[in-house]
Amino acid sequence: AQSVTQPDIHITVSEGASLELRCNYSYGATPYLFWYVQSPGQGLQLLLKYFSGDTLVQGIKGFEAEFKRSQSSFNLRKPSVHWSDAAEYFCAVGSGGYQKVTFGTGTKLQVIP
Amino acid sequence: DGGITQSPKYLFRKEGQNVTLSCEQNLNHDAMYWYRQDPGQGLRLIYYSQIVNDFQKGDIAEGYSVSREKKESFPLTVTSAQKNPTAFYLCASSISNQGGEQYFGPGTRLTVT
Repeated sequence: AQSVTQPDIHITVSEGASLELRCNYSYGATPYLFWYVQSPGQGLQLLLKYFSGDTLVQGIKGFEAEFKRSQSSFNLRKPSVHWSDAAEYFCAVGSGGYQKVTFGTGTKLQVIP
Repeated sequence: DGGITQSPKYLFRKEGQNVTLSCEQNLNHDAMYWYRQDPGQGLRLIYYSQIVNDFQKGDIAEGYSVSREKKESFPLTVTSAQKNPTAFYLCASSISNQGGEQYFGPGTRLTVT
């Protein structure tokens, strides 16, 4: 069965600092991997996705993620965090198409001035 | 504007009453999904539908029911059999050629007292 682990429940960074959110997955074949962001009381918005090709994926809002098959990881990064990036971030894994997508438990990002 | 709408944003019910949450999409997506979100637990799949007049149970279907009579609509009924119905409910849709990427509605917060 597929699964996703986000080991950090909360992360606090200073505005302007770099950010890395960790995601490890378990999946038997080549996975489809996603990062979503959720503001309080809102739905989820897709930041980026990976399913083939270049292992470094660029997304919206200046985010990027790197797929590392050997480490079963898909960490999200941003070189300089803005106060508006404060939100909850979810990593997810699926097999593509209509198949089930499994979400991690999320990482809440706090940005301090 | 294309998107997914959920109504209402907030819903209050007395224990023992059934309640139906609305989800409509105008993205022409074939697949639709219902998730339940509780603090610290990520998103858990309740039901999903890949095509009109067909749907499958997700991980936590007990106490819930759905219908898919139209491509655009996928209402969720929270029945009195659901032991802990108070939660944030998210509806999503997807199209197969997008690699499983799901588009989310704004959510409905249900409170049962």
